[in-house]
Order: sequence, then structure tokens, then C-alpha cells
Amino acid sequence: GENVEQHPSTLSVQEGDSAVIKCTYSDSASNYFPWYKQELGKRPQLIIDIRSNVGEKKDQRIAVTLNKTAKHFSLHITETQPEDSAVYFCAARSYNNNDMRFGAGTRLTVKP
Amino acid sequence: NAGVTQTPKFQVLKTGQSMTLQCAQDMNHNSMYWYRQDPGMGLRLIYYSASEGTTDKGEVPNGYNVSRLNKREFSLRLESAAPSQTSVYFCASSAGPFNEKLFFGSGTQLSVL
Repeated sequence: GENVEQHPSTLSVQEGDSAVIKCTYSDSASNYFPWYKQELGKRPQLIIDIRSNVGEKKDQRIAVTLNKTAKHFSLHITETQPEDSAVYFCAARSYNNNDMRFGAGTRLTVKP
Repeated sequence: NAGVTQTPKFQVLKTGQSMTLQCAQDMNHNSMYWYRQDPGMGLRLIYYSASEGTTDKGEVPNGYNVSRLNKREFSLRLESAAPSQTSVYFCASSAGPFNEKLFFGSGTQLSVL
């Protein structure tokens, strides 16, 4: 099955700086790559996703890039704010099946 | 519109006891999932059901069974609980192929003593 690795496990930035989280996947048949944000004690929620036919997608301060050849994708958060502090998970889904595999998560702390 | 509802929110079991976690969604979604979340290990897929009538193993199915009772409900059963099953369990659903956004329940915190 799919294996997703995520780095770094923790990330601390100053408010206003950018944050980048990277993930790699193993299954070349994966075609859907979402990112979820989980605030403390809450359920994960989708913040952005990208499909394999697209190289980059932006939504205000967040963007995701995908490199299919290298099998990696990244989350970029610009102008970080304290409310961006949370655990972020990447995931990948293969078109061969319907299961969604997650990375281990990145705990982002934005210092005011 | 409740979304994904799972019960109970908290549960303490003794080793060897059994229990069933219930999950229901009211969004007419085809696919449903059970994940467990452990510190430093992210969300690991236990079982999923791509559509009513089908279930498949995920990455960590040992010690669990599931039932897709109907399109709305997907339950997870621990037949003989072990301390290694202490975790936070999340149920999730998605519309299905080409609409894979996952909607999560609020989670069940399970402790096995």
C-alpha cells in the first residue's frame, strides 16, 4: 500500500514568516493529495488539496505544490499568524483503491 | 446537518473486554473510514468501506472488525481489547471517487487498562 512520509515533525516560526512542510509518497498510482489541519482537541479539517494533473494550487495564504516525478508535495503557508498554530497532515490516495493514507503530522507553532 | 457523528466520546475498558464504536453520517456519502491517531504516528487507517456492502483492510486492521450496516452507518468493533489499542479513534466519510474530501467525526478517546 501507499506510504507517506512527512517532514519536519515540528516547526516553529515567527509570526509573519513563511512555513513549508514536505511530504513524499511511494505509490506512483497516487493521484490525490490533500492537506488537513488539526487544532488541539479538534477533528482534522481539509485546508487544501491537489490532483496529479496540477502542479500548484493556491488559496489565499496557503499553497500546495506537487512534483510527480520526484513523488513529493509541499504545503506553503505565507505571512503566518498565531491561529495557524496546529498539527498539519498530508495524505495521498491511489486511484487503484479508495483508502487515504496520512503522514505522521507536523506540529507548527507560530510565535507572536 | 450533523455531518459525521460518532459515539461514545470517551471509553475506558479493561483488557479483554469488547466494545463497538458507532459512526453515522447524514451526507449521503458512499465511503466511510476508521482511523486511529497516536502521538507521533499521525492517522493510521484501520478499515474502510468504499461503498455500502464492501469493507477493506487498511494498514492496521489486526484486532478490529467492522460492519457497514447501511449507507449511513459504519461501526468498529474491538473483540478483545488490548492496551496497545489505547488511542483516539476517528470515523470519517467522503462522497466517493472524484470527491474525496474527508469529513471527520469528533473522535473517541479510548483507554484500555
